[in-house]
Amino acid sequence: QQPVQSPQAVILREGEDAVINCSSSKALYSVHWYRQKHGEAPVFLMILLKGGEQKGHDKISASFNEKKQQSSLYLTASQLSYSGTYFCGTEDFGNEKLTFGTGTRLTIIP
Amino acid sequence: KAGVTQTPRYLIKTRGQQVTLSCSPISGHRSVSWYQQTPGQGLQFLFEYFSETQRNKGNFPGRFSGRQFSNSRSEMNVSTLELGDSALYLCASSFEPSYEQYFGPGTRLTVT
Repeated sequence: QQPVQSPQAVILREGEDAVINCSSSKALYSVHWYRQKHGEAPVFLMILLKGGEQKGHDKISASFNEKKQQSSLYLTASQLSYSGTYFCGTEDFGNEKLTFGTGTRLTIIP
Repeated sequence: KAGVTQTPRYLIKTRGQQVTLSCSPISGHRSVSWYQQTPGQGLQFLFEYFSETQRNKGNFPGRFSGRQFSNSRSEMNVSTLELGDSALYLCASSFEPSYEQYFGPGTRLTVT
């Protein structure tokens, strides 16, 4: 059962902030975040592990709420280069394969 | 360090034929995963190999199979192709399972 991402799509102006959510009905071991630009392969952003700290680099960060089996990706002061489709991938206990959500399409306009 | 390479990049096949796709992981990576990507279904997990052993398999029919060689290169095979198999097939490698994955450019398969 794949995780649910929200929103499905969002349009922002350059400099605005965005939050993308990922939730699962299963007890999660880890959450992965990837970004895919049109016509390109997905690119790794970060991994959050159960019991781990909030991760982040530059202006992109993420959190993992273990009690709610939810993860959120935060993009602050968005840049044009942030445009793309963001996927969360989850691994749950006893099922060590990465299951991806359906993606969130983020469009940044000048 | 060279990235993940996949061959061929594009392929057109006819229903009923079979196809073999190849993936060369990043040097030193021992885990290879395969995904099918379509506009309607997103990224669907096919299978994962680690040290020549299949660790996990997704919910795909037995027509989809794969293997990994001692040099970590991997192949996937689809037999008796159907129109619905048209998709972008992505290969991803990682140092070990559950580590960050690095995706190849994919093979675009069109079945007519």
